Amino acid sequence: GAGVSQSPSNKVTEKGKDVELRCDPISGHTALYWYRQRLGQGLEFLIYFQGNSAPDKSGLPSDRFSAERTGESVSTLTIQRTQQEDSAVYLCASSSGDGYTFGSGTRLTVV
Amino acid sequence: GQSLEQPSEVTAVEGAIVQINCTYQTSGFYGLSWYQQHDGGAPTFLSYNALDGLEETGRFSSFLSRSDSYGYLLLQELQMKDSASYFCAVKSGYSTLTFGKGTMLLVSP
Repeated sequence: GAGVSQSPSNKVTEKGKDVELRCDPISGHTALYWYRQRLGQGLEFLIYFQGNSAPDKSGLPSDRFSAERTGESVSTLTIQRTQQEDSAVYLCASSSGDGYTFGSGTRLTVV
Repeated sequence: GQSLEQPSEVTAVEGAIVQINCTYQTSGFYGLSWYQQHDGGAPTFLSYNALDGLEETGRFSSFLSRSDSYGYLLLQELQMKDSASYFCAVKSGYSTLTFGKGTMLLVSP
């Protein structure tokens, strides 16, 4: 597609439930990133996929967070047993060079 | 570890020039990027400096001094639509970016 697509755009979930966030990168972009942005804060790196290499998971805050990507296509970020501190905007970006192209994010609210 | 410092907020009037500074401490360095984010929107790429000096793109310019671990974003002929948050980001690994906390720019008439 023309840009990075994320779904859903908004998600409200109850504490303790699992959520799955989806990212469709730009076709041909081999690199894909997930970032988290809390209200009024900067972007916090979560995980990075590059082609078929093992992902860089160094930013995942706990073992409740996991992500998958099949080849160079769609990625899903799963948060298990959500907590209120997980409330944030989750941004996906893809890249083929120096600049990232971000999606519009998924705003997650845990109540 | 990585750390980036930038002012939390800058105010200016339409037509003015504003400079947003960024200092960084990283274990490796490949380049400094700038991103713009309007409220509720996605960050958008503005510029990337891998070498020392000034890069100009229209009304926006970005500067890097690797010896000083310092860079800045210069916005000229400010417009109301430039009101947004601006993030500096360091590329310290092969591809991953570490972002600063952002500078909110408020442009008034």
